[in-house]
This record gives sequence, C-alpha cells and structure tokens, in this order.
Amino acid sequence: TQLLEQSPQFLSIQEGENLTVYCNSSSVFSSLQWYRQEPGEGPVLLVTVVTGGEVKKLKRLTFQFGDARKDSSLHITAAQPGDTGLYLCAGYSNYQLIWGAGTKLIIKP
Amino acid sequence: EAGVAQSPRYKIIEKRQSVAFWCNPISGHATLYWYQQILGQGPKLLIQFQNNGVVDDSQLPKDRFSAERLKGVDSTLKIQPAKLEDSAVYLCASSQKTGEGTEAFFGQGTRLTVV
Repeated sequence: TQLLEQSPQFLSIQEGENLTVYCNSSSVFSSLQWYRQEPGEGPVLLVTVVTGGEVKKLKRLTFQFGDARKDSSLHITAAQPGDTGLYLCAGYSNYQLIWGAGTKLIIKP
Repeated sequence: EAGVAQSPRYKIIEKRQSVAFWCNPISGHATLYWYQQILGQGPKLLIQFQNNGVVDDSQLPKDRFSAERLKGVDSTLKIQPAKLEDSAVYLCASSQKTGEGTEAFFGQGTRLTVV
C-alpha cells in the first residue's frame, strides 16, 4: 500500500514566522500536488510539481519536489493569518492519486 | 464561472437509514469524482466517472454505496443502509480531463453524521 505521510500533523505559529511542512513516501510518484483546504470548504489546488528537484514559488509559498520524487516540502515565508488551513499533498502513481492526511496550520495574529 | 455545487451541506441520520447526496459539476467537465473525507484524514476516492461511465470504483463499498451520473452531468451518491463509520464529509469534484496533473475543482462537501 502506497502511503503519503505528512508532518507535522498540526502546527500553530505566530504571524510573521517561517515554517516548513513535509510530505514523505517510500514510493516514487510521477507528480505531486499540494492543496489547501479551509474549514467547511473543499481542497483548492496550489501547485503541481512533476520533475525531481523542481522548485515552484507561489508568492510567499515555495514548493520543492525531492530529487528521487518520493518527497516534497512546502515552505511559507512570513506566515499570515490568511495562510491558516489544512495543507494536503497528493501524489500520482500508477494512474491513481494518493492523498496524505494533511497538516493543519494555524497562524495567530 | 460557477463552481461545483453540492447539496445538502449537512445531514444527520440514524444508522440503518438511507441518504443521498447530489452534485452538479462545473459545466463542460467530463470527469466527476466522489471522495469521502473522515475527520483528520485526507480524501479517499470512492468513485470516478468519465462522462456517464465509471472509470474507478475500486474503493466504493458496493454493498451499501451506489452512485450514478445519468446523462454525464449531475451525479448522486447513495448510502443504504448507513453505518456509524460512514460519518464523514462527502466531497464531489470535477475536472476537464482525467489523468496525471489534472486540476480537480471541489465542492464545499456534505457533512454526514450517522447517530
């Protein structure tokens, strides 16, 4: 069974701090997506990474796909309360999308 | 552009009762997905339609869950009879195409509580 493990499960920090959350697996994924889910809403796609070592930036968010395509990280610089939400990673393998359990992030003003 | 519409938003039923959820995808999206998201977990794919045909229903508990997408547009997901462990958020999503890297657009979900 392929698993995507996300860490930490929960993170609460002050506005302005930096943070990194991780998405790890023992399996290789051909591509990986990051979503953000706010309470009472469905997940919204943030980015898709497809190449090992790829780095993508979305304003204050930096996404990296591991060289071996088994892991990924999301770094947020100068976190803001609007970044609060559940961050989910999902990887494609054998035509299936495998989801992690998410990191619940709270940014306190 | 209108998003994915789901109803109802909330539903509370007793175990062994039946329940149905409705989804209207984004216009023109051929692929429709139903996911189950249990609190503290990521979404789990229940069924994927391409137009009105089933692409993947390998994780659908077929003894109690059923889904249909007549005419390749709207879809309904039914549970009969419901069990306590079916308490979850049921998310519908749609995409223009299927396959790797496709962006799926999600509805707000239906929160089901089975008591």
